[in-house]
Amino acid sequence: AQSVTQLGSHVSVSEGALVLLRCNYSSSVPPYLFWYVQYPNQGLQLLLKYTSAATLVKGINGFEAEFKKSETSFHLTKPSAHMSDAAEYFCAVSESGFQKLVFGTGTRLLVSP
Amino acid sequence: DAGVTQSPTHLIKTRGQHVTLRCSPISGHKSVSWYQQVLGQGPQFIFQYYEKEERGRGNFPDRFSARQFPNYSSELNVNALLLGDSALYLCASSLDAYGGSTGELFFGEGSRLTVL
Repeated sequence: AQSVTQLGSHVSVSEGALVLLRCNYSSSVPPYLFWYVQYPNQGLQLLLKYTSAATLVKGINGFEAEFKKSETSFHLTKPSAHMSDAAEYFCAVSESGFQKLVFGTGTRLLVSP
Repeated sequence: DAGVTQSPTHLIKTRGQHVTLRCSPISGHKSVSWYQQVLGQGPQFIFQYYEKEERGRGNFPDRFSARQFPNYSSELNVNALLLGDSALYLCASSLDAYGGSTGELFFGEGSRLTVL
């Protein structure tokens, strides 16, 4: 069965610092991988997705993620954190396309001035 | 253009009651999915509907049911509510059954259900 593991329920960074949110996946077939962001009292917004094309995926708001099959990882990075990046981030996997997503437990990103 | 709209935004029920949650997809979207997000956890897939037919079901009891109407809006019904059903219920829409050309699900802001 497919699954994702997000290491660290909370990550704290200073404004301007590198953001690194970790995600490892388990899938029996080549997966589709996603990162979503959730702001308080809002739904989920897609940041980026991997669909077996380029292994380095660029998303919105300056975020990017690299698919590493050998490490079964899909970590999310941003070179310089902004206060507005504070939110909950979810990694998700799907073996059947863009529906029926399996989400991780989420990582809350805290950004301090 | 309006995004995915869900109603009600908040509701409180007691154990054993029934609840109906409603979702209107983005105009032109034909697929609707439902997810349950318990506090502190990631969303869990409940159902997907496309063209009024169920295309997928997650690991939820039969107390959970859904349907899609000819205008592609959808209802999620939960019978015999339990305390553990307290959660944020998210609806997501997409152009087709596979996420459309952008491969994206568009989520609503959710209906927060509290069961006492």
